[in-house]
Amino acid sequence: DAKTTQPPSMDCAEGRAANLPCNHSTISGNEYVYWYRQIHSQGPQYIIHGLKNNETNEMASLIITEDRKSSTLILPHATLRDTAVYYCIVRVNNDMRFGAGTRLTVKP
Amino acid sequence: DSGVTQTPKHLITATGQRVTLRCSPRSGDLSVYWYQQSLDQGLQFLIQYYNGEERAKGNILERFSAQQFPDLHSELNLSSLELGDSALYFCASSAGGGRTEAFFGQGTRLTVV
Repeated sequence: DAKTTQPPSMDCAEGRAANLPCNHSTISGNEYVYWYRQIHSQGPQYIIHGLKNNETNEMASLIITEDRKSSTLILPHATLRDTAVYYCIVRVNNDMRFGAGTRLTVKP
Repeated sequence: DSGVTQTPKHLITATGQRVTLRCSPRSGDLSVYWYQQSLDQGLQFLIQYYNGEERAKGNILERFSAQQFPDLHSELNLSSLELGDSALYFCASSAGGGRTEAFFGQGTRLTVV
């Protein structure tokens, strides 16, 4: 059973920032927040992960609230190629279970 | 290229048959995960191995089994296949533990006819 809640779908205009929210109110102190995306039927792609500090890499930024009960993935300048299903998961060790994710559609 | 290799890419077989899906993890990764994704469905976690030992089990049917070999490659065996087993099967690998990201292969598309 997934421990996260995400909106089923979102739209974003090309070139604008895409902000994808995730609720993980039952997260425990040693669980990491991970984001992946799946473009069409390709293998899911790792995006970013964090524990409690905000993180940034070449793909995205991850903002985790101070109480760690929610997070936001930010794609700073969305392109059409960012259209995908985005998954937020929390994990500490072995289990890596995916929920339904958010289907992000980037529109011209 | 994630570095995770899955073979075959496509597989068509008849009901009642048995197939084996293979996964070669990224170099150095000790952990292997298997997932099933039916048409327009989410990723269902099946099972995870770490350095040859089973570490976590998800919604894996009794007709399915898996193992990880000493060279760290893994195989997923599906037997007594049913039409409903038609799906994409993904393998992922990671260095191990919750602090390391996992990388996915491109999947094996299984069609049971």
